[in-house]
Amino acid sequence: QQQVKQSPQSLIVQKGGIPIINCAYENTAFDYFPWYQQFPGKGPALLIAIRPDVSEKKEGRFTISFNKSAKQFSLHIMDSQPGDSATYFCAAANYGGSQGNLIFGKGTKLSVKP
Amino acid sequence: SQTIHQWPATLVQPVGSPLSLECTVEGTSNPNLYWYRQAAGRGLQLLFYSVGIGQISSEVPQNLSASRPQDRQFILSSKKLLLSDSGFYLCAWSNGVNNEKLFFGSGTQLSVL
Repeated sequence: QQQVKQSPQSLIVQKGGIPIINCAYENTAFDYFPWYQQFPGKGPALLIAIRPDVSEKKEGRFTISFNKSAKQFSLHIMDSQPGDSATYFCAAANYGGSQGNLIFGKGTKLSVKP
Repeated sequence: SQTIHQWPATLVQPVGSPLSLECTVEGTSNPNLYWYRQAAGRGLQLLFYSVGIGQISSEVPQNLSASRPQDRQFILSSKKLLLSDSGFYLCAWSNGVNNEKLFFGSGTQLSVL
């Protein structure tokens, strides 16, 4: 059972464009929504995260938009650069419980063309 | 600072052979430890997690097993590999108090032929 649905599977944008990656979740108990960035041959690394008490969080060129009623959240990358080319994973967890483990989406492979 | 070591980086094994992947964490104590598998188009699948020595929880039934013989050592094993065990295996740790941030190792690319 897939609890976090991520789209699109792949995305190609020109340098300076604003790629948007979307995720939808089912479990209303989720209370933590991170995004991880993975470069080829490497493990994922935490990029940015949000909790459901805010609708937006920005860190540098990366912004998470969160819609609690729709159970959706998205990652926007402003002024994208070739160095942003990577696979991005959204995830969700219920850390209000005794042991919350992250549930990951299937990933989006982003290519930023120079 | 904390570091996580995972080896080997790549591994090619015949079907039916055993497997042992090792992961160690430095610079922290009593971490939560995780094994994930990443298959093409299937994202990151949690295989096992451990909150302490000898404590292993399995998320999915499979041909693999995990052990935690020491506080900062996590081992993924199989007695007989299957073709379907091929994939990119990632070890990760989190602070036992605040589980929110996962720190991943650099992964092992396993090919079962």
